[in-house]
Amino acid sequence: NAGVTQTPKFRVLKTGQSMTLLCAQDMNHEYMYWYRQDPGMGLRLIHYSVGEGTTAKGEVPDGYNVSRLKKQNFLLGLESAAPSQTSVYFCASKRSVEYEQYFGPGTRLTVT
Amino acid sequence: TQLLEQSPQFLSIQEGENLTVYCNSSSVFSSLQWYRQEPGEGPVLLVTVVTGGEVKKLKRLTFQFGDARKDSSLHITAAQPGDTGLYLCAGAGTSGTYKYIFGTGTRLKVLA
Repeated sequence: NAGVTQTPKFRVLKTGQSMTLLCAQDMNHEYMYWYRQDPGMGLRLIHYSVGEGTTAKGEVPDGYNVSRLKKQNFLLGLESAAPSQTSVYFCASKRSVEYEQYFGPGTRLTVT
Repeated sequence: TQLLEQSPQFLSIQEGENLTVYCNSSSVFSSLQWYRQEPGEGPVLLVTVVTGGEVKKLKRLTFQFGDARKDSSLHITAAQPGDTGLYLCAGAGTSGTYKYIFGTGTRLKVLA
């Protein structure tokens, strides 16, 4: 039981490049989330999903897109990376009727 | 927009001292959670409080939810170096438990 895994762990992009971050969970959780964490700002919700095939915007969705084609996977895409997207990205999942979110280990992204 | 302010932002104390971390908002939350995050890892849930005025204890940690469900506190008795980490509060809106707002975080360092 791996829990929540994220791929890749580290990535360096040049401005304008695109990439996709993959989040996978093996707990059959309905809800999945993408957050970014910047110094002094806690975690901010980018997008979330309450079920397979559904996605919704969080607090800071601009510049990101997501897809949830399979229940166990939640993808975060950056179409044209900007230096302001340099951050640590965390994925989380939870059961619909419970409170606890389970977090992945994070992806550290640097955009130069 | 719901905001959660945590104070203090940084705290460095000696082993054996007591401390309190505060999480405040002008908004009402249906539930509030406290997480601890170690460097290079995702946050891990410590506790969830749901009822106004609720107090929960986890060994040397005491959590309280404000009567009006707008604020919360975390009190640590006789802090130990193992308590070192980033403490985050997270509130769920009154529309449901699927979306959370995270606080700005309190970075605690306990010196031996």
